[in-house]
Amino acid sequence: QQQVKQSPQSLIVQKGGISIINCAYENTAFDYFPWYQQFPGKGPALLIAIRPDVSEKKEGRFTISFNKSAKQFSLHIMDSQPGDSATYFCAASIKAAGNKLTFGGGTRVLVKP
Amino acid sequence: DAGVTQSPTHLIKTRGQQVTLRCSPKSGHDTVSWYQQALGQGPQFIFQYYEEEERQRGNFPDRFSGHQFPNYSSELNVNALLLGDSALYLCASSWGATGKGYNEQFFGPGTRLTVL
Repeated sequence: QQQVKQSPQSLIVQKGGISIINCAYENTAFDYFPWYQQFPGKGPALLIAIRPDVSEKKEGRFTISFNKSAKQFSLHIMDSQPGDSATYFCAASIKAAGNKLTFGGGTRVLVKP
Repeated sequence: DAGVTQSPTHLIKTRGQQVTLRCSPKSGHDTVSWYQQALGQGPQFIFQYYEEEERQRGNFPDRFSGHQFPNYSSELNVNALLLGDSALYLCASSWGATGKGYNEQFFGPGTRLTVL
């Protein structure tokens, strides 16, 4: 059972544009929603994370929007740069369950110069 | 700080063989989690070790086993390898597995296992 569904699978955006990645979850017990960035040959690196008591969180050019009633959350990358070209994963976990991460399928983002 | 380190980087095995992967957590971390990442997919949780005990386990068969040592480093063992075990195996470390906080998991670069 895929508990976190991510879309789109791939995305091409021009330099300076906005990249938007969406995720939907099923388990209402999830209480922590991180986004990871992964470059080829590297492990995932935490980009930004949000808890369900907050509807939006912004860190630099990265913003998470969270809709608890719809069980959806999204990542917006503003002013996309070629260096942002990577695979992005949303994830979810339950604090009381030891923070085991359940990942989405990933979105490959290509930023064209 | 060296971060999370994993060895080896790459490994090629044949079906039926056994493999051991190793992980050293980030300095100050005491919890190690292992994930399997098939090509083009998101990581899948295998299991988590804390205080030298397996605390949680994902939907993986008993062929997958692990160990945590007193220095918090960990091993992942896979027996009777199948072609489908070919994947990137990621180790992640964090502090504390007791659910007291949202403890960020730091991932290593992974071990690429190919089963022929």
